[in-house]
Amino acid sequence: KAGVTQTPRYLIKTRGQQVTLSCSPISGHRSVSWYQQTPGQGLQFLFEYFSETQRNKGNFPGRFSGRQFSNSRSEMNVSTLELGDSALYLCASSGTGNSPLHFGNGTRLTVT
Amino acid sequence: QKEVEQNSGPLSVPEGAIASLNCTYSDRGSQSFFWYRQYSGKSPELIMSIYSNGDKEDGRFTAQLNKASQYVSLLIRDSQPSDSATYLCAVLGTDKLIFGTGTRLQVFP
Repeated sequence: KAGVTQTPRYLIKTRGQQVTLSCSPISGHRSVSWYQQTPGQGLQFLFEYFSETQRNKGNFPGRFSGRQFSNSRSEMNVSTLELGDSALYLCASSGTGNSPLHFGNGTRLTVT
Repeated sequence: QKEVEQNSGPLSVPEGAIASLNCTYSDRGSQSFFWYRQYSGKSPELIMSIYSNGDKEDGRFTAQLNKASQYVSLLIRDSQPSDSATYLCAVLGTDKLIFGTGTRLQVFP
């Protein structure tokens, strides 16, 4: 069974631009969560989607948004990039109930 | 108070020793607990799940859960240099999975 796939692996953007990251979950998983990881803050929860609906949202500004498609694939978008948005963005999928998250390889975003 | 707390380390242990990693959490209603291992530059990898009080063993790994004390731990027996990584404790609260900041483990030969 294929794991969680994130694209692209690396991105370099300049301040003020916007970026879209993509995530394909494990087949059969309907829940997709996004996390931001930085050295100082650890893993910070961005949002979770289930069956195309945002089920939960973390404490991030409105510049961070996401969506999920009918095939459970998800995208997250960051608009008006700031230097502080440089981070590893991780997508994870899970099955039903209290199943654990399975992470993709992440997208490393660098904002210059 | 942070929702999930871990000592950041580094925890240094010699090869062959037992490494003990600890985690406390604040949400008394939490029911699911996970340990992830993250190598530098890589994504977190699930190594253990535990849902009920007591011990759960999987190979060289043992997870221990004490809900009354809001405490979960991970023991790694016969530690190997390849175990050197950051170990993340994750707790499923009422609506989302919360991660600790991780404990860096160093196993030296």
